[in-house]
Amino acid sequence: GAVVSQHPSWVICKSGTSVKIECRSLDFQATTMFWYRQFPKQSLMLMATSNEGSKATYEQGVEKDKFLINHASLTLSTLTVTSAHPEDSSFYICSASGASGNPRYEQYFGPGTRLTVT
Amino acid sequence: GENVEQHPSTLSVQEGDSAVIKCTYSDSASNYFPWYKQELGKRPQLIIDIRSNVGEKKDQRIAVTLNKTAKHFSLHITETQPEDSAVYFCAASGNQFYFGTGTSLTVIP
Repeated sequence: GAVVSQHPSWVICKSGTSVKIECRSLDFQATTMFWYRQFPKQSLMLMATSNEGSKATYEQGVEKDKFLINHASLTLSTLTVTSAHPEDSSFYICSASGASGNPRYEQYFGPGTRLTVT
Repeated sequence: GENVEQHPSTLSVQEGDSAVIKCTYSDSASNYFPWYKQELGKRPQLIIDIRSNVGEKKDQRIAVTLNKTAKHFSLHITETQPEDSAVYFCAASGNQFYFGTGTSLTVIP
């Protein structure tokens, strides 16, 4: 149980275009979803936290107008990287919590999306 | 906010030896402490976790200890195997969920 999927797994886009990444909890209702960014050989950097039906809470230094997050249902959250630039190239990972009934516990991660901006 | 420090950043051990990774946290409201293993290019996988009402938890070769007074917790891997090689992250969760900086573990055959 507690499976999280992410789509696409790898995307290459041209500079200036927008890319949408989907995160789905397949067998549980995710009360909270998290979006992380990870550079090679580094830790996960939390970008934002989203609760179903409400606006995402962004971490300091993360541009909310550039990284649009929508959490429309208890099983789906999307991250849209708008006007992507090469420096946005990274590994983006989502996670979902709520499988145990408590959103503070047990984050389950998606497989990640590798974004390359040319 | 929470500040989770993790040491060491890299660790090499001989196959069969034990590996210990330590984390400290600052927020006394933190009450859930998971450990994740991440292999290259893959998602972090939860390997063990501990809640604040418990001092120690063990699952086969993996154990976690928690000292709430000192605000530190540790991951212990015994009888290490080459497939244990990965990056390990600790995390502390209370009002927020924060990850440590990661430890790259290499088990030398």
